[in-house]
Amino acid sequence: EDQVTQSPEALRLQEGESSSLNCSYTVSGLRGLFWYRQDPGKGPEFLFTLYSAGEEKEKERLKATLTKKESFLHITAPKPEDSATYLCAVRGQNFVFGPGTRLSVLP
Amino acid sequence: EAGVTQFPSHSVIEKGQTVTLRCDPISGHDNLYWYRRVMGKEIKFLLHFVKESKQDESGMPNNRFLAERTGGTYSTLKVQPAELEDSGVYFCASSQGRVADTQYFGPGTRLTVL
Repeated sequence: EDQVTQSPEALRLQEGESSSLNCSYTVSGLRGLFWYRQDPGKGPEFLFTLYSAGEEKEKERLKATLTKKESFLHITAPKPEDSATYLCAVRGQNFVFGPGTRLSVLP
Repeated sequence: EAGVTQFPSHSVIEKGQTVTLRCDPISGHDNLYWYRRVMGKEIKFLLHFVKESKQDESGMPNNRFLAERTGGTYSTLKVQPAELEDSGVYFCASSQGRVADTQYFGPGTRLTVL
């Protein structure tokens, strides 16, 4: 059965304090790994898609990387507006989401 | 370009009643997905349409849930009769042609069954 776990469950950072979020997965036949951001009361907002090990993608202060077992979302010099829940999902037979990491960035 | 829209945003019903949720995907997106998040749990896949056909409904909890997609455009998800454990947030997402294409999510419908 396809599975996704994310760590940490919650993370508090000071503004400007860089860190990384982890997404570990087991899936038979990975067809894509997705990162989403979700704000309270809203639907997930797409950030990145990664398809193969070694792939990296960047957008503003965020950078996503992928290996055969896990993905990292690196946040460089975060700002308070980066506070949100970050979700990882994989596409194997169907889409499986992780539980998310709640990120709080304090000014 | 308009995003994925869902209606209603909130619904409060009593156990045993019927509720119909609606999703309008991004225009031109053939793939439409329904997901559900119950309190404290992760988002779970319910089903996947390709145009008007059900491609995968392996995540549907039971036969009280009925999804349709008229003419390959909007979709409805009916729960009849609703039970307490059906409470949660129902998300709809759409994507273009390929299997692993990016899915764009709607804001969700929060369903509360009393």
